Amino acid sequence: DAKTTQPPSMDCAEGRAANLPCNHSTISGNEYVYWYRQIHSQGPQYIIHGLKNNETNEMASLIITEDRKSSTLILPHATLRDTAVYYCIVRVMNRDDKIIFGKGTRLHILP
Amino acid sequence: GAGVSQTPSNKVTEKGKYVELRCDPISGHTALYWYRQSLGQGPEFLIYFQGTGAADDSGLPNDRFFAVRPEGSVSTLKIQRTERGDSAVYLCASSLGIHNEQFFGPGTRLTVL
Repeated sequence: DAKTTQPPSMDCAEGRAANLPCNHSTISGNEYVYWYRQIHSQGPQYIIHGLKNNETNEMASLIITEDRKSSTLILPHATLRDTAVYYCIVRVMNRDDKIIFGKGTRLHILP
Repeated sequence: GAGVSQTPSNKVTEKGKYVELRCDPISGHTALYWYRQSLGQGPEFLIYFQGTGAADDSGLPNDRFFAVRPEGSVSTLKIQRTERGDSAVYLCASSLGIHNEQFFGPGTRLTVL
């Protein structure tokens, strides 16, 4: 079973920041938080990952709470092309490499 | 091409038939994964290869499913005696090695009538 909990859907206005929450209250010390997204009719696409520090790349920012029990993926200026299902995943880097996906959050960007 | 490719993109077959789905990983990627995605669900892990060997096949649902990667590059997922419940999108991903980011292909949509 997936070890994360996400809202099933969210809406965000185009041009605004999209903030996608994820709860992972049972995360272990050696588990990383990963985010993938899946645009309709495509395979999942890696976005970002982190252990405990906040991370930023060209696609998004990842904010992880100090207790690591939750995180937020931030898309700073959402566009219509960001409409997708976003998956929050926890993974152990040094053991099983398979990704266990949950149902994710379906993000709708509204024009 | 630069990404993971999968063929065919769509496959329609009849119940009881045998099918093969092919995955061409990114050149140089030693790890290869197969997932299955049913409508409205996240992808579900099936099997992964490190080189030519199956490192973890714990996700294969039953013995009708089998996958090979004989030369450590292209992989084929084989399904015998297909059932209607096998209908799904089959996704392949590859990575430089375990612990690295997985790059996914577009998937093969399998429909069993």
